[in-house]
Amino acid sequence: GENVEQHPSTLSVQEGDSAVIKCTYSDSASNYFPWYKQELGKGPQLIIDIRSNVGEKKDQRIAVTLNKTAKHFSLHITETQPEDSAVYFCAASDEAGTALIFGKGTTLSVSS
Amino acid sequence: DSGVTQTPKHLITATGQRVTLRCSPRSGDLSVYWYQQSLDQGLQFLIQYYNGEERAKGNILERFSAQQFPDLHSELNLSSLELGDSALYFCASSVLRGGYTFGSGTRLTVV
Repeated sequence: GENVEQHPSTLSVQEGDSAVIKCTYSDSASNYFPWYKQELGKGPQLIIDIRSNVGEKKDQRIAVTLNKTAKHFSLHITETQPEDSAVYFCAASDEAGTALIFGKGTTLSVSS
Repeated sequence: DSGVTQTPKHLITATGQRVTLRCSPRSGDLSVYWYQQSLDQGLQFLIQYYNGEERAKGNILERFSAQQFPDLHSELNLSSLELGDSALYFCASSVLRGGYTFGSGTRLTVV
């Protein structure tokens, strides 16, 4: 089955810096790659997703890139703010209605 | 409010007991997924239902079971509870394809 590896497990940046989180997946059939943000005491919230027919997608300060050949995808957050501090999860599925498999998460801390 | 409702929010019970967690999916979503989140294991997929039928199983223990009812709400039953079952249990819903919407979770503490 699918296996998703996520790095780093923790990331500390200064406000205004960029943050990059990387994930690799094992199943070449996977074609849907969402990212979730989880704040303390809350459920994960979808922040951006990408499908395999697209190499990059942006939404304001957040962008995701996908390299299907290398089976890796990354989350880029620019101009980080303290409210970006949270745990971020990447995930993968084949989008045929099968379940998402999640990475183990990255705890991002943005200090002002 | 995400539209996915989970009850109860907190549950404390003793080892050996049985509990039921409930999830109401977002309106229009036919798929329901259950995940277990513990500190060292991240979000572990347990089981998926689609329109009342079991669709996929993940790392779900035999002591755990679930079902989805005709009104699409789902229940996760955990029996013969052990200390190691203490975790956050999340329900998520989706249309068949696409991103999930998660509920706010049930925190289970087994003492």
